[in-house]
Amino acid sequence: GQQLNQSPQSMFIQEGEDVSMNCTSSSIFNTWLWYKQDPGEGPVLLIALYKAGELTSNGRLTAQFGTTRKDSFLNISASIPSDVGIYFCAGPNLYIGQLTFGSGTQLTVLP
Amino acid sequence: GAVVSQHPSRVICKSGTSVKIECRSLDFQATTMFWYRQFPKQSLMLMATSNEGSKATYEQGVEKDKFLINHASLTLSTLTVTSAHPEDSSFYICSARDPYLDAQGPQHFGDGTRLSIL
Repeated sequence: GQQLNQSPQSMFIQEGEDVSMNCTSSSIFNTWLWYKQDPGEGPVLLIALYKAGELTSNGRLTAQFGTTRKDSFLNISASIPSDVGIYFCAGPNLYIGQLTFGSGTQLTVLP
Repeated sequence: GAVVSQHPSRVICKSGTSVKIECRSLDFQATTMFWYRQFPKQSLMLMATSNEGSKATYEQGVEKDKFLINHASLTLSTLTVTSAHPEDSSFYICSARDPYLDAQGPQHFGDGTRLSIL
C-alpha cells in the first residue's frame, strides 16, 4: 500500500525560530493534507493542497505541494509555545476518503 | 466548518467488558466515516471504513467480530469493542468527510476516546 515518510521525527526549537518538516511518498498523491494533533485530542486540519506546485499559507504556516506530486513540506515561521504538538502529513489513497498518514513530527518549542 | 463529535472522551473498564464509542457529524451528513486507532507516540492507523446503510470495510488484521461498527444514520457511526482486554487499550479516533465540501480528501476528526482496560 501507499506509505508516507515524514521527517524529522522530532524537533526541539527555541521560541521565535522557523521550522520545516516534509513528507515524501513512493507514489503520487492528488491531495496533500497537513494536520496538527494536541495531546489527548484528535487531529485538526491545518492546510489542504490540491495542485502540484501549489503554495498555500495559513497564518504563520506555509505548505507546498511538490511538483512531482510525491512530496510536500510544511513551514512554521516565528514559532510560539502553542505550536507544540504532533504534525502529520496525510494523503488520500486508492479509495476516495481513506487517508494514509505520515509517522508524525513531534514539535517542542522551548521558551 | 465541519464538526465531528466523539463520545465518550475517556473510558476505564474491566477486562471482558464491551465498550461503545459514538461518532457524530454535527453540521453535515456523512455517508462515510472512518475509525482509527493510535498507540502512544505512533501515527493514526485506519481500522475500518463505516458506510451508512451497509457493512463496514475493515483493514487487514482488524477483527470485525471484535470491533463492531454500525452506521445506521447519516450522522452517527458507533464502534463497539467487544469483550475488551488490556491489549485493546488505545486512543480511538473517528473522522468524517463532508461529501459536498471535501470531495478530495480532507477529513474532520473527533476528539478521540481514550480506552483503558484494566
